[in-house]
Amino acid sequence: EPEVTQTPSHQVTQMGQEVILRCVPISNHLYFYWYRQILGQKVEFLVSFYNNEISEKSEIFDDQFSVERPDGSNFTLKIRSTKLEDSAMYFCASSKQGVANEKLFFGSGTQLSVL
Amino acid sequence: AQKITQTQPGMFVQEKEAVTLDCTYDTSDQSYGLFWYKQPSSGEMIFLIYQGSYDEQNATEGRYSLNFQKARKSANLVISASQLGDSAMYFCAMREPFSSGSARQLTFGSGTQLTVLP
Repeated sequence: EPEVTQTPSHQVTQMGQEVILRCVPISNHLYFYWYRQILGQKVEFLVSFYNNEISEKSEIFDDQFSVERPDGSNFTLKIRSTKLEDSAMYFCASSKQGVANEKLFFGSGTQLSVL
Repeated sequence: AQKITQTQPGMFVQEKEAVTLDCTYDTSDQSYGLFWYKQPSSGEMIFLIYQGSYDEQNATEGRYSLNFQKARKSANLVISASQLGDSAMYFCAMREPFSSGSARQLTFGSGTQLTVLP
């Protein structure tokens, strides 16, 4: 089965530094998502992206966050100036149609640790 | 109000027994999708099963089945013949539609940690 690929699997950074988390969604999918999971907590929605623009974002997704599809295959999440509370597992996901009865395919996640 | 409620933070089951993981949801939409995902200790999110709000029959996928009771707004996951490899965190999730027909984000419950005992 096709997979969503995320790199790196682990990222350690200093507080205040910029990080870019990378994702390669499934090739014929059109809708892309970022979720995060702070250790021991539920999975939280950050942002959804379609047709080269954000279609929905949560309160978490403030000005420190941005997403981009720089080419035909990659989908990135940038955190401009990381804070300690940004430490979490970040999941990228994709889907083909963006409808309610469609499952999301998740990547294996990037564990971000902010020191 | 919580959109998805999983009231069992932890569950234990004996190997080869069946187990039910509870999930209730809250929505005013008539059309929505309900999902269960498994998260093993390695961290990835693995799709298990899906139930559409208009589906008349309960969804089944191998050893997984979904006990869907629409009037009660519950979508419990039943795992039959538990295996040691089933030990993981299990998340219930829901997608609701926008008025345009496209889907809102997937909303997750807090999860149930299932431990299968040998």
